[in-house]
Amino acid sequence: QLQLQESGPGLVKPSETLSLTCTVSGGSISSSSHYWAWIRQPPGKGLEWIGSKYYSGSAYYNPSLESRVTISVDTSKNQFSLKLSSVTAADTAVYYCVREGLWSPFDYWGQGTLVTVSS
Amino acid sequence: EIVLTQSPGTLSLSPGERATLSCRASQSVGSSYLAWYQQKPGQAPRLLIYGASSRATGIPDRFSGSGSGTDFTLTISRLEPEDFVVYYCQQYGSSPRTFGQGTKLEIK
Repeated sequence: QLQLQESGPGLVKPSETLSLTCTVSGGSISSSSHYWAWIRQPPGKGLEWIGSKYYSGSAYYNPSLESRVTISVDTSKNQFSLKLSSVTAADTAVYYCVREGLWSPFDYWGQGTLVTVSS
Repeated sequence: EIVLTQSPGTLSLSPGERATLSCRASQSVGSSYLAWYQQKPGQAPRLLIYGASSRATGIPDRFSGSGSGTDFTLTISRLEPEDFVVYYCQQYGSSPRTFGQGTKLEIK
């Protein structure tokens, strides 16, 4: 059974960079059939897709965040990561790491991690 | 960007009743690449339906999806107490991937 687990700081200061890592177990991140994605959910609000990355390089991001986002994949550790720069209070959210199939929906989700942006 | 609008925002029904949730897209969703998710409080969303009408693994058959183009529906035939949570639609036919704002199903 595939499992995803987010890790990283729960508190980030305004203007700094949010960094999260997702560890994938029970399957290979080098799958030819999947992208690896980040989705966030502000407290009490809906879901927002941040971006997705294929293990071998191609990535696509939400245009609303693209200038601040980088998703990277480390196949040696079976992990992928999110960096979001110049954060503000509006970036406070639960961040989920997720598996996305090629022309398929988001089928496996991590439990989510709350990141609060505050000084 | 495809905007998904879900209605109603909140649906009040009783256990055993039938629920019909709507998701309307601002433009056609290619190849019916439309999914539905269920989210319980404090949990990650769970995939219910993909391809507009195919149930994900382990999803009870009381959940069904239908529709194409710009209009999609999630139907729950006989509501169980655990079904009274939030539901989201999502399109994966184009980038950026987008979600509807959610429908909350509450006990009447």
